[in-house]
Amino acid sequence: GQQLNQSPQSMFIQEGEDVSMNCTSSSIFNTWLWYKQDPGEGPVLLIALYKAGELTSNGRLTAQFGITRKDSFLNISASIPSDVGIYFCACPTGANSKLTFGKGITLSVRP
Amino acid sequence: GAVVSQHPSRVICKSGTSVKIECRSLDFQATTMFWYRQFPKKSLMLMATSNEGSKATYEQGVEKDKFLINHASLTLSTLTVTSAHPEDSSFYICSASRTGVEQYFGPGTRLTVT
Repeated sequence: GQQLNQSPQSMFIQEGEDVSMNCTSSSIFNTWLWYKQDPGEGPVLLIALYKAGELTSNGRLTAQFGITRKDSFLNISASIPSDVGIYFCACPTGANSKLTFGKGITLSVRP
Repeated sequence: GAVVSQHPSRVICKSGTSVKIECRSLDFQATTMFWYRQFPKKSLMLMATSNEGSKATYEQGVEKDKFLINHASLTLSTLTVTSAHPEDSSFYICSASRTGVEQYFGPGTRLTVT
């Protein structure tokens, strides 16, 4: 089946640092979504990408839709403690646009 | 925009009872709503997809008679866990889609069955 690969499982950075997360697949997707989930909460949509090569920013976040349509990355610049959480990539597929999720990357930010 | 609420946020029930969880899209009409279950430190597992006025489509391995889904309107879907058992304890999250592409998630409901 279609899979989205996110690694490593955990990342540890210092406050103020930039961090980049990748999401890759062997399948082609037409939309890439990035979500953040805080403990005990539902995921929040950060950025949606609809076109190959598209680069989109949302504050300190920047995400790109890979030109091959098989990958995407999310950059967080000048990290702050509230950036802590789990970051999921997800791609809608099928008639009802069911989401295929990556396993998520847990980000820790040291003050 | 694109706010989704869930109620209750936490519920504790006794084994054998039923629990209803509500999911509402507050500022948009949702063509499709989804129900997920999430285990600790795991990604979200889709349970079912529902369109307003239609029967829900359940994922393989999800018992439709145990997890009853009603999608009564374009802004409300409910999940009823019938005859709950301790193994049904989990974090249940709904999402709603207005465009059929992005999904907006509710804050989740923590169910504990004693």
